[in-house]
Amino acid sequence: DAGITQSPRHKVTETGTPVTLRCHQTENHRYMYWYRQDPGHGLRLIHYSYGVKDTDKGEVSDGYSVSRSKTEDFLLTLESATSSQTSVYFCAISPIGEREETQYFGPGTRLLVL
Amino acid sequence: AQKITQTQPGMFVQEKEAVTLDCTYDTSDPSYGLFWYKQPSSGEMIFLIYQGSYDQQNATEGRYSLNFQKARKSANLVISASQLGDSAMYFCAMREGFEGNFNKFYFGSGTKLNVKP
Repeated sequence: DAGITQSPRHKVTETGTPVTLRCHQTENHRYMYWYRQDPGHGLRLIHYSYGVKDTDKGEVSDGYSVSRSKTEDFLLTLESATSSQTSVYFCAISPIGEREETQYFGPGTRLLVL
Repeated sequence: AQKITQTQPGMFVQEKEAVTLDCTYDTSDPSYGLFWYKQPSSGEMIFLIYQGSYDQQNATEGRYSLNFQKARKSANLVISASQLGDSAMYFCAMREGFEGNFNKFYFGSGTKLNVKP
């Protein structure tokens, strides 16, 4: 258990509304990631963070923004949700320094944009 | 070019038999890591096994082993003695770059494994 929680776990929203997803970790990991999972695509990186206020874009960042004002929280915002952003969103952390440096994932957030 | 390729969208295996899930990768970086994750129907992503690019032996974790063929750039997952609880989606992933720095992960599209009783 990497101590990662995501909120909300499920959300239904309408096109054009802003949506913020929260990822919270309790183990002070420096690196955090947001992915989206869609059928046939595996997981695709949206944004990542390598420290407080240090973030960068992934491969599918259009339409998304992120913020990290505290080590433990990484927020993903859909400024104006579209139906193409219906997906399952996963937050992950990477414990840099450990040999394997795998990524540990939160439980995911299912987002439906109508 | 895709970094990770999983060519088997779905597979069936009889309970108690072994099964191999295929994964090929593409990188020119000499240092990388290869991972397998399991995603059951409940949705969580579960880390299974890791292989470093410099590791001489294939990784094993209980019933899971990773058949690492560096020259062929393949990292197949072998599950021995399949159990009904192994029915899930399996993702192969690669971390490119040296340990200790930030590295991106690349994921394949997954293989759905069904274990038949």
